[in-house]
Amino acid sequence: QVQLQESGPGLVKPSETLSLTCTVSGGSVSSGSYYWSWIRQPPGKGLEWIGYIYYSGSTNYNPSLKSRVTISVDTSKNQFSLKLSSVTAADTAVYYCARESAQNMVRGVINYWGQGTLVTVSS
Amino acid sequence: DIVMTQTPLSSPVTLGQPASISCRSSQSLVHSDGNTYLSWLQQRPGQPPRLLIYKISNRFSGVPDRFSGSGAGTDFTLKISRVEAEDVGVYYCMQATQFPYSFGQGTKLEIK
Repeated sequence: QVQLQESGPGLVKPSETLSLTCTVSGGSVSSGSYYWSWIRQPPGKGLEWIGYIYYSGSTNYNPSLKSRVTISVDTSKNQFSLKLSSVTAADTAVYYCARESAQNMVRGVINYWGQGTLVTVSS
Repeated sequence: DIVMTQTPLSSPVTLGQPASISCRSSQSLVHSDGNTYLSWLQQRPGQPPRLLIYKISNRFSGVPDRFSGSGAGTDFTLKISRVEAEDVGVYYCMQATQFPYSFGQGTKLEIK
């Protein structure tokens, strides 16, 4: 059974960089069958897709965040990470890591999610 | 970006009765490969989202058959044939036809 677990600071100061890591168990980030994604949800609000990374290192980001986002993968640790720079209060959210199928002609099949971690941006 | 609009935003339903949620996209979700990448997710209170339906009408593994999806182009519907207590939560449609992926605002399903 695949499990994903987010980790990182729960509090980040404005203008600093938010850094989160997702540890994958029961599966491999080196698999060519999946994209490894980040999605966020401000408290009490809806979902926003941040982006994903493929095992090869290729990425796809939401243009609204693209200038501030970096997603990377560490195959040796079976982890992938999110960095979001120059954060403001608007970046306060629960951040989910997730796995999406990379099968041909299958998109948006995001079938495994971490439990999510709340990151608050405040001084 | 494609904007996804769900109606209603709140749906009080009696146990055992059907429920229906609509989702409309600001442009056609038909991909150049001929597929329509419209998914439905359920988020129970305090839980991460869970995939219910993908490509309009395909139930994901383990999803009860009381959930069904339909639609085409820009208009889509999620139906629950007989609502059970465990169905309480927020339902989101999501398009993956065009980047960036985008979600509807969510529809809160409550028991009357």
